[in-house]
Formats: sequence, C-alpha cells, structure tokens
Amino acid sequence: GDSVTQMEGPVTLSEEAFLTINCTYTATGYPSLFWYVQYPGEGLQLLLKATKADDKGSNKGFEATYRKETTSFHLEKGSVQVSDSAVYFCALGGNGNQFYFGTGTSLTVIP
Amino acid sequence: DAGITQSPRHKVTETGTPVTLRCHQTENHRYMYWYRQDPGHGLRLIHYSYGVKDTDKGEVSDGYSVSRSKTEDFLLTLESATSSQTSVYFCATQRGDRIQETQYFGPGTRLLVL
Repeated sequence: GDSVTQMEGPVTLSEEAFLTINCTYTATGYPSLFWYVQYPGEGLQLLLKATKADDKGSNKGFEATYRKETTSFHLEKGSVQVSDSAVYFCALGGNGNQFYFGTGTSLTVIP
Repeated sequence: DAGITQSPRHKVTETGTPVTLRCHQTENHRYMYWYRQDPGHGLRLIHYSYGVKDTDKGEVSDGYSVSRSKTEDFLLTLESATSSQTSVYFCATQRGDRIQETQYFGPGTRLLVL
C-alpha cells in the first residue's frame, strides 16, 4: 500500500544553516505530495505541496521537488531561522481520499 | 484555513468511561477525518467521512466510532476509554475528492485516560 518514510530526528541546526529533511514514498498511481509543519501546541499547517512529477512546491523559503524517478520529496531551506523550529511531516495524498503521513522530524534551530 | 474547531481541547477521564470529541467546520468541506498523534507514529487515521452519514474505517479504528449527521460536525466516540487511547486527536477536512486537495487541520484535543 501507499506509505511515506521520512528521516528521523531530532535535527538541531544553527541559525542560517542549510536544512534538508529527506522523504521518500511508495505509491500506486500518481499521488500528490505535501509537507506540513506543526508548531508547539498547534495543529498541522500546510507548508507546501506538489501534485505531479517534477513540480516544485515552495513557501516561506522552503522548497521540495517531486522526483518520480527516485520517489522522493525532500524538504530544503537555504538558511533556517529560530522561528522555523517545529515538527515537519511529509505526507502523500493517494487513492481513496486518504493521506499517509511520515512520523515527523523535529527541527530545533539555535541562535 | 477551513475554520475548524475541536472541543474539548483538553480532557482527563477514567478508564471505562465514554468520551465524545467534536469537530466543527465552517467551510462546507465534504470530507472529514479523525487522526491520533503519538510519539514515533506520526498521524494515524482513525475514521473518515465522505458525506453526511457516510463514514469508513481507517488504520486504527478499533475502540472508536464516529457519526456525521450534519456536514459541519464530525463526532468521535470512545465507547469505553482505555489508557492506550491517551493521545492527541486531530480533526481534518478536505474540500473534495481530488488527489491534489489539501487537508486542513484543527488545533487538536489532548486526551488523558487514567
């Protein structure tokens, strides 16, 4: 069945460092791919999405490219800020109107 | 933002008691979902609804039931709460059935079963 695997955390970076959080997926058909962010004590918010192969989603300096050949959707940001500290979830929107979420990666950015 | 509210936001209950969590949305989205979030597991789908009175089971549905009598409300019931149901519960909505549709999340309900 459909599934998502993302790198385990926690990840700790200094401010202005480069961020990569890896996400790979398994799916039948042509899923959409999402990154959600969860700040402490809150629900998940959509960060970015891509709906077909080679699409790049971007928002707030974060980017991810839908790579069908490597079944990946890695999240990147060139220069992280303290305010980016959160938990990041990779998700797949597949058949049957169901989403499949990764286990989440906790990011802490220190000044 | 789909205007999703959840109630209660926090609840402490005892093993064996029934518990009902409510999700309310103001955007007339067709699909609604209940997830639980636990450390090391991410989000797992409990039940979902694809219309009024139309529901289906998710990955971890045992011990839970749902009802949807109006488009805007989706109720999750723990018939007899157990300690393993201590978790954070999130409701989500989705406008339509296309694969590229985004899911929108409520703020969550923290449930502690003693």
